[in-house]
Amino acid sequence: KAGVTQTPRYLIKTRGQQVTLSCSPISGHRSVSWYQQTPGQGLQFLFEYFSETQRNKGNFPGRFSGRQFSNSRSEMNVSTLELGDSALYLCASRVEVAGGSEQFFGPGTRLTVL
Amino acid sequence: AQRVTQPEKLLSVFKGAPVELKCNYSYSGSPELFWYVQYSRQRLQLLLRHISRESIKGFTADLNKGETSFHLKKPFAQEEDSAMYYCALSEGWGKFQFGAGTQVVVTP
Repeated sequence: KAGVTQTPRYLIKTRGQQVTLSCSPISGHRSVSWYQQTPGQGLQFLFEYFSETQRNKGNFPGRFSGRQFSNSRSEMNVSTLELGDSALYLCASRVEVAGGSEQFFGPGTRLTVL
Repeated sequence: AQRVTQPEKLLSVFKGAPVELKCNYSYSGSPELFWYVQYSRQRLQLLLRHISRESIKGFTADLNKGETSFHLKKPFAQEEDSAMYYCALSEGWGKFQFGAGTQVVVTP
């Protein structure tokens, strides 16, 4: 099976702009989570979608939003970009397995805000 | 609040020496814990889950509920073990709390 894919891999934007990142989960996985990874804060949970519904949300401002489509692909949007939004954004798809779950990560989208 | 603590930012060991990465957690429910590894220029990948109680690449981790710990151990470190290791706790619904990570450097 193909792994989790994310596009684009790199993005450069300026303050005030908005950006949309895309994630395609592993085939058959219906849960998609998004994380922000920075050197200072580490990996922080943004939100999780399952069957097109947001089930869980982290502590990020409303500028960060997402959605999931019927084919489980997900997009994340950040509006009014700030310098502090520069980070690696990771997407993960999750599947229930015996006794718990397993989460598989994509390669990430490196966002730089100038 | 739920939290995962990895007290060591950097662990430097010699090849063949034992290595132990510490992870402590605070969680009000029954925890589901994981270790993830990120090799240089590769994506984050699952190393092992506490539920499966298996050994992967020679690594084991035991959940100690009394000490709220999930330390990762390997008796003989190899150079290919050099990587960033993250301890993670699942809060359910796809939400994982990650520790800050421990960089392991294995020198020959």
